[in-house]
Amino acid sequence: QVLLVQSGSELKKPGASMKVSCKASGYTFTHFPMNWVRQAPGQGLEWMGWIDTSTGNPTYAQDFTGRFGFSLDTSVSTAYLLIDGLKSEDTALYYCARGPPHPSRSSAWTFDYWGQGTLVTVSS
Amino acid sequence: QSVLTQPPSASGTPGQRVTISCSGSSSNIGSSFVNWYQQLPGTAPKLLIYSHDQRTSGVPDRFSGSTSGTSASLAISGLQSEDEADYYCATWDDSLNGWVFGGGTKLTVL
Repeated sequence: QVLLVQSGSELKKPGASMKVSCKASGYTFTHFPMNWVRQAPGQGLEWMGWIDTSTGNPTYAQDFTGRFGFSLDTSVSTAYLLIDGLKSEDTALYYCARGPPHPSRSSAWTFDYWGQGTLVTVSS
Repeated sequence: QSVLTQPPSASGTPGQRVTISCSGSSSNIGSSFVNWYQQLPGTAPKLLIYSHDQRTSGVPDRFSGSTSGTSASLAISGLQSEDEADYYCATWDDSLNGWVFGGGTKLTVL
């Protein structure tokens, strides 16, 4: 069965960097893009962007450019979310979620499998 | 401010039918497939409905989705206590060239 398993909770100080991992199993990792979704405390879901797992090319949503990065290690079927210069407003749950190949208006589905979420707390 | 607009809350009593709306524009709902997600308290979201009205495996037929023009709806009939959750719509937006979510609707079963 398809599984996305994320790394554990993180407590970081402002200005630090962090890396969240998302290990996929149960399917061919490079056949489906990986998306990242943020959920601030008590808030809704925000799409952060996606990474093409066959090429490594990342695409970032408008609000997630600059300090945010997506990367891969296809040898272990793992996607990574990196955040530099952490701020208190980065405190949130971060999810990885599988997306359809070649996402567009023609994609009949998206985010069919999700990781369990990684809680990142930024506090001095 | 979410691109897709959902009511922040909805409620119903057991056995009732409730509907959750999701309003967008021609660049998103008006031209793309709509998905619905259920997020139970303390858990990750789960894909409930895709392609406007298709239920994922294991989702009871009490859940149904529909889309007309630039609006979509999720209907839950025969409401049960275990349906108490947050519900989100999502679709592709051509103007933003990415996925967009609604702000979410918290469903309370009274």
